[in-house]
Amino acid sequence: KAGVTQTPRYLIKTRGQQVTLSCSPISGHRSVSWYQQTPGQGLQFLFEYFSETQRNKGNFPGRFSGRQFSNSRSEMNVSTLELGDSALYLCASSFFALKETQYFGPGTRLLVL
Amino acid sequence: DQQVKQNSPSLSVQEGRISILNCDYTNSMFDYFLWYKKYPAEGPTFLISISSIKDKNEDGRFTVFLNKSAKHLSLHIVPSQPGDSAVYFCAASAGSGTYKYIFGTGTRLKVLA
Repeated sequence: KAGVTQTPRYLIKTRGQQVTLSCSPISGHRSVSWYQQTPGQGLQFLFEYFSETQRNKGNFPGRFSGRQFSNSRSEMNVSTLELGDSALYLCASSFFALKETQYFGPGTRLLVL
Repeated sequence: DQQVKQNSPSLSVQEGRISILNCDYTNSMFDYFLWYKKYPAEGPTFLISISSIKDKNEDGRFTVFLNKSAKHLSLHIVPSQPGDSAVYFCAASAGSGTYKYIFGTGTRLKVLA
């Protein structure tokens, strides 16, 4: 069974640009969660999608948005990039995101210059 | 407000000895806990989990202990091996209705050969 895949793996952008990251969950998983990892901050929860609906959102500004498609693939968009958005963005999939294991992709490393 | 805390950013242990990683939480609604291991340039991989109805769960060299009254959990690795060197994250789920996991900031474990 294929694992969670994320594209692209690395990305360099400049301030003010926007970026779209993609995540394909494990086959059969309908929940996709997104996290931002920065040094010293651990994994900060961005949002979670299930069956194309956002069920929960973390404390990030509106510049961070996402969506999920009918095949459970998910995209995350960051508009008007800031230097502080440089981070590793991870997505994780599970069946229901409810007291179960989440499986992570390798992440997308975003560098904002 | 960091609801899940890993107060030791790093830990060094000799090969063959026990590694003990600690995690504290503040939200009494958390009812499911997980430990993940993360190598550089990879996504976190699931290690072991425990439900709040238990106080111990064991899987091979890994044992997780949960003390609900102290809101504390720990991961024991016995015996420690050099391949265990990684960053370890604990995570908590508040159960139904939230659909999200709160992660700690991680502890970097170094197992010395």
